[in-house]
Amino acid sequence: GAGVSQSPRYKVAKRGQDVALRCDPISGHVSLFWYQQALGQGPEFLTYFQNEAQLDKSGLPSDRFFAERPEGSVSTLKIQRTQQEDSAVYLCASSLALQVPEAFFGQGTRLTVV
Amino acid sequence: DAKTTQPNSMESNEEEPVHLPCNHSTISGTDYIHWYRQLPSQGPEYVIHGLTSNVNNRMASLAIAEDRKSSTLILHRATLRDAAVYYCILRDQKTSYDKVIFGPGTSLSVIP
Repeated sequence: GAGVSQSPRYKVAKRGQDVALRCDPISGHVSLFWYQQALGQGPEFLTYFQNEAQLDKSGLPSDRFFAERPEGSVSTLKIQRTQQEDSAVYLCASSLALQVPEAFFGQGTRLTVV
Repeated sequence: DAKTTQPNSMESNEEEPVHLPCNHSTISGTDYIHWYRQLPSQGPEYVIHGLTSNVNNRMASLAIAEDRKSSTLILHRATLRDAAVYYCILRDQKTSYDKVIFGPGTSLSVIP
């Protein structure tokens, strides 16, 4: 009965380093979302997958951000050449299907760029 | 996207009811009203949702105004574990999918 799992929980990266954040959604969930949450703010939408298809990447802040879900389950959010403004909590959520009201969130990965 | 407005913060005494308001004057006929909450150091969790009628579940109740321009999340007896940021969100169910768009939410403090 595992929920959405994200790893690592914490990541410290030197400025300019590439990072990869992993999300394991609940098994069988079709929809997968990534969010970025700055300190004291609500989560901001980054991108959405329906199975392996990335249907919306309108929230990705720059071309340094890239997400994939190649087999329609595990997803990876990659940030290239990290900058200090990338420091935030990155949240992943999944839901069973389209139009299902409840989205399940992971605990997030806290990224600190130094 | 239709927007919601909520107070930045609220306080409640433990074991008393809490009424968290949300205004959504530009709501459309196909927008559902959703509430999520985020406990400290956790991801958001779904609380409740509704369209027109009031809704109850094990976590809370949702009271929706007749004109649907506002709603209230009701916690019947606040506990210390209810201290969280509460987000009121509109989701359009007529589109093929609808991402959850968060505002700043209401930070609820519960006083023992």
